[in-house]
Amino acid sequence: EAGVTQSPTHLIKTRGQQVTLRCSPISGHTSVYWYQQALGLGLQFLLWYDEGEERNRGNFPPRFSGRQFPNYSSELNVNALELEDSALYLCASSLGSNSNQPQHFGDGTRLSIL
Amino acid sequence: GESVGLHLPTLSVQEGDNSIINCAYSNSASDYFIWYKQESGKGPQFIIDIRSNMDKRQGQRVTVLLNKTVKHLSLQIAATQPGDSAVYFCAVAGAGSYQLTFGKGTKLSVIP
Repeated sequence: EAGVTQSPTHLIKTRGQQVTLRCSPISGHTSVYWYQQALGLGLQFLLWYDEGEERNRGNFPPRFSGRQFPNYSSELNVNALELEDSALYLCASSLGSNSNQPQHFGDGTRLSIL
Repeated sequence: GESVGLHLPTLSVQEGDNSIINCAYSNSASDYFIWYKQESGKGPQFIIDIRSNMDKRQGQRVTVLLNKTVKHLSLQIAATQPGDSAVYFCAVAGAGSYQLTFGKGTKLSVIP
């Protein structure tokens, strides 16, 4: 069974640019979660999508947004990039939202802002 | 809201010894707990989970203990091996919530 896949693996951008990160969940999983893992700060929750709807978002500015497609894959968009956006962006998926289910992670996209 | 703290940011153990990694959480309504392992350059890997109606759960070489009275969670790794070297995170979710709050992680180093 294929795990969560993310693309690209690495990305270099400059301040003010925009970026789109992509995530394909495990087959059968309908919930997708996005996290930011900056150095020394642990995993910070960004967004949660389930059945195509945004269910919750973390304490991040509106320039962080995303969507989930009918095939349950997801995109994370970040506008007006700032230096502090440099981080590993992780996507996770789980089996729906009817009960607590473990989230399974991809290997992330490493975003560097110059 | 929930906050998750960690007792030790780093832990060094001799190969073959048992490892114990601890975690504390703040919300007594939390009812789902997960441990993840993250190796360098990779995403967190699910190890084991436990719900609040249990106080112990065992997997292959791993045991999770939950003490709801003091809001404490621990991960025990038996016969620690070099391949166990990684950062270990605990994560907690509240009742009816599907959002995980993560601790900052403990870096486990195994000495051959």
